Amino acid sequence: NAGVTQTPKFQVLKTGQSMTLQCAQDMNHEYMSWYRQDPGMGLRLIHYSVGAGITDQGEVPNGYNVSRSTTEDFPLRLLSAAPSQTSVYFCASSYSGGGRETQYFGPGTRLLVL
Amino acid sequence: AQKITQTQPGMFVQEKEAVTLDCTYDTSDQSYGLFWYKQPSSGEMIFLIYQGSYDEQNATEGRYSLNFQKARKSANLVISASQLGDSAMYFCAMREPAGGTSYGKLTFGQGTILTVHP
Repeated sequence: NAGVTQTPKFQVLKTGQSMTLQCAQDMNHEYMSWYRQDPGMGLRLIHYSVGAGITDQGEVPNGYNVSRSTTEDFPLRLLSAAPSQTSVYFCASSYSGGGRETQYFGPGTRLLVL
Repeated sequence: AQKITQTQPGMFVQEKEAVTLDCTYDTSDQSYGLFWYKQPSSGEMIFLIYQGSYDEQNATEGRYSLNFQKARKSANLVISASQLGDSAMYFCAMREPAGGTSYGKLTFGQGTILTVHP
């Protein structure tokens, strides 16, 4: 299993540009989510999905869109990049059965918006 | 709303000694899960240990143990016999209860940077 994969690893954007961060998992997990990590602030939830066709907002959803057309993929779209979106973005997935199962994190995407 | 507080921005420990990283949480839910993750300088998030709110015993995973005090709403991570490779950022996180549409959401603390000295 590849686990959770994210592309690209690093991206530089100009203010106003749009882009899609890709996330895929091959563990047949129902639950997937996107977090952003800013210095000194831990990880904050952007959007999440409990299954194909179902998404919901997290703590900091403004400026981002998501969709979940398949179980495997959960792309994150930046509509019009702003310098405040400079961050490290993590995608994660897990089962939704309760208990001790952890969330599996991807390696992260470092985004710089100029 | 759930909230996680890690009050120690940085901690130092001598190699081979034990260290405790503090975590307190706030929730009105009866069922929840608590996690600790390690983030080395390379950036990946590594799962360390899990404690369920109904677990009667403290969780242990090798050199990691979780000191769970439900009444105090604390879930401190204890690392025994520290190693140089333990130097990293450590995050405490809480998961919302199962059964709801928001299940799986993790709320993270701000993290504690642990430095292990030789």
